[in-house]
Amino acid sequence: RKEVEQDPGPFNVPEGATVAFNCTYSNSASQSFFWYRQDCRKEPKLLMSVYSSGNEDGRFTAQLNRASQYISLLIRDSKLSDSATYLCVVTPDKLIFGTGTRLQVFP
Amino acid sequence: DAGVIQSPRHEVTEMGQEVTLRCKPISGHDYLFWYRQTMMRGLELLIYFNNNVPIDDSGMPEDRFSAKMPNASFSTLKIQPSEPRDSAVYFCASRPGLGDTGELFFGEGSRLTVL
Repeated sequence: RKEVEQDPGPFNVPEGATVAFNCTYSNSASQSFFWYRQDCRKEPKLLMSVYSSGNEDGRFTAQLNRASQYISLLIRDSKLSDSATYLCVVTPDKLIFGTGTRLQVFP
Repeated sequence: DAGVIQSPRHEVTEMGQEVTLRCKPISGHDYLFWYRQTMMRGLELLIYFNNNVPIDDSGMPEDRFSAKMPNASFSTLKIQPSEPRDSAVYFCASRPGLGDTGELFFGEGSRLTVL
């Protein structure tokens, strides 16, 4: 089993839609969790950290479920500019990236 | 402040040639990471350094790969001899250290094609 697993997608959604991605991890000792965004042919950049109580940043909401060992990312009111690959990152001791979920928002 | 700087941005070489990728981390960052990204395998951690010392190189594919960090402002990843399956984008990233947010700051990557 991979340490971090994501549905590769693509998720094709219209503008204004709400979309959610999940990411499962295998190491129960993992302490820190993040979502990164990667645009085509660019480097990954931090989107948001994921806190135990869940956290929100504008249209983006991240949640952690330790019992089931998954994190989620919810994007509300999708914009064309949200089109990218979203990578979940888990840190037992070093940062381990999932393979990413591709999102395509269409007009 | 300058971000993480990688060179070359693109390299095309022939099988069997030596390849050297270079990275300058953000000044003051204690950790440096080398990742490789392919469509099939995603982002894979190859090796990381703390204060110039290699901490975990378990991700280095084989003996053809080596990495060094002679000082706090410079690191190299070398492949010798290169093979077509080494074709990928190689990212260098740095982070401040203990007590930081955990955010990794990536360079723009070095796109390697081995023919």
